[in-house]
Amino acid sequence: DAGVIQSPRHEVTEMGQEVTLRCKPISGHDYLFWYRQTMMRGLELLIYFNNNVPIDDSGMPEDRFSAKMPNASFSTLKIQPSEPRDSAVYFCASSGTGRWNQPQHFGDGTRLSIL
Amino acid sequence: AQSVTQLDSQVPVFEEAPVELRCNYSSSVSVYLFWYVQYPNQGLQLLLKYLSGSTLVKGINGFEAEFNKSQTSFHLRKPSVHISDTAEYFCAVIWTQGGSEKLVFGKGTKLTVNP
Repeated sequence: DAGVIQSPRHEVTEMGQEVTLRCKPISGHDYLFWYRQTMMRGLELLIYFNNNVPIDDSGMPEDRFSAKMPNASFSTLKIQPSEPRDSAVYFCASSGTGRWNQPQHFGDGTRLSIL
Repeated sequence: AQSVTQLDSQVPVFEEAPVELRCNYSSSVSVYLFWYVQYPNQGLQLLLKYLSGSTLVKGINGFEAEFNKSQTSFHLRKPSVHISDTAEYFCAVIWTQGGSEKLVFGKGTKLTVNP
């Protein structure tokens, strides 16, 4: 079975540019989560969706960040404009019905560097 | 604010020795507890979880953890570690109260198993 697929694996861009991170969850999973991991702040939950609907976006740091889930098999996290402090590893995870009592399956992450 | 504290940022041990990775959280009002493992350049994988019931939880790879409500702790243990257990371990807590939920990860503990 394919796991959670994230693309790109690495992204290097200059500040001010728009960045789009992509995620394909495991088929049949109805929860999708976006996380950010940095040395300073650890792992932070940014937003999560249930059945393509955003449920809690309280972790989104600023209006420069937006996330969408147009269908059950695809989600994007956009940063516009990007800043050097956005450099981090961004993870997508999905889980089946039950939200917290089902294990989350993580992708391998996108390592983002903003110069 | 809710918080999760992993007291040791790094734990070096010798192969076949026992290990305990500590996790404390800020309050014991209705919580779900998790331990995840992260290998280099990969996403997180669920080791074990406590939702309710027995306070001793067994997970994959021979790990177990004990929920201690009075001490607000959820320490992870393994009686005999292998080289392959070298990874970073994250404790995560979900607080549920009044219909709202909050997920917080600890900063992680890097376990290094030496021959």
